[in-house]
Amino acid sequence: AQSVSQHNHHVILSEAASLELGCNYSYGGTVNLFWYVQYPGQHLQLLLKYFSGDPLVKGIKGFEAEFIKSKFSFNLRKPSVQWSDTAEYFCAVSTHYGGSQGNLIFGKGTKLSVKP
Amino acid sequence: DAGVIQSPRHEVTEMGQEVTLRCKPISGHDYLFWYRQTMMRGLELLIYFNNNVPIDDSGMPEDRFSAKMPNASFSTLKIQPSEPRDSAVYFCASSLARARYYEQYFGPGTRLTVT
Repeated sequence: AQSVSQHNHHVILSEAASLELGCNYSYGGTVNLFWYVQYPGQHLQLLLKYFSGDPLVKGIKGFEAEFIKSKFSFNLRKPSVQWSDTAEYFCAVSTHYGGSQGNLIFGKGTKLSVKP
Repeated sequence: DAGVIQSPRHEVTEMGQEVTLRCKPISGHDYLFWYRQTMMRGLELLIYFNNNVPIDDSGMPEDRFSAKMPNASFSTLKIQPSEPRDSAVYFCASSLARARYYEQYFGPGTRLTVT
């Protein structure tokens, strides 16, 4: 079965530090990849997505992610975090596999705490 | 577009009572998903529909949980009888298959507390 692994459960950074959150998925076929963000007390919102083309994807608020097919990875990065980036981040993958077509497989999430 | 609409936003009920959560997906979307989020278990997919038909309900925890989608613009998630361990935030999401991305749009959630 497809799965998504997020390596870090909780990351604590100081403002202006660089961020990289790991995400690996287990599926060898065509995938669409997503990062969602959930600010405290709010619902999940799309941060960025990869469908095809340039493997370096830029999203909102200065976030970017790089799709490395050979590593089955889609890591999220930001060069300089702000206190307002404190949130939980979810990696997700959708496949074109018939049985689960249309579904997103979510990772367990990484909580990011940014200290002012 | 109003986005995904969920009601109520907060629900407090006593153990044993029936609870009904409601969701209106984005107009034109043909997939609808119900998730549950807790501190202990994180985000869990309960069930999802395509064109109003349930596709996968393997995430529904027990027979106490049921979901329906009588038409393209409305879905309910019912818990009967409710138990304290059902306390969680329940999210509804919708997506458009034609877009191919399968990007899901989430509603604001219903925070359920069962005492």
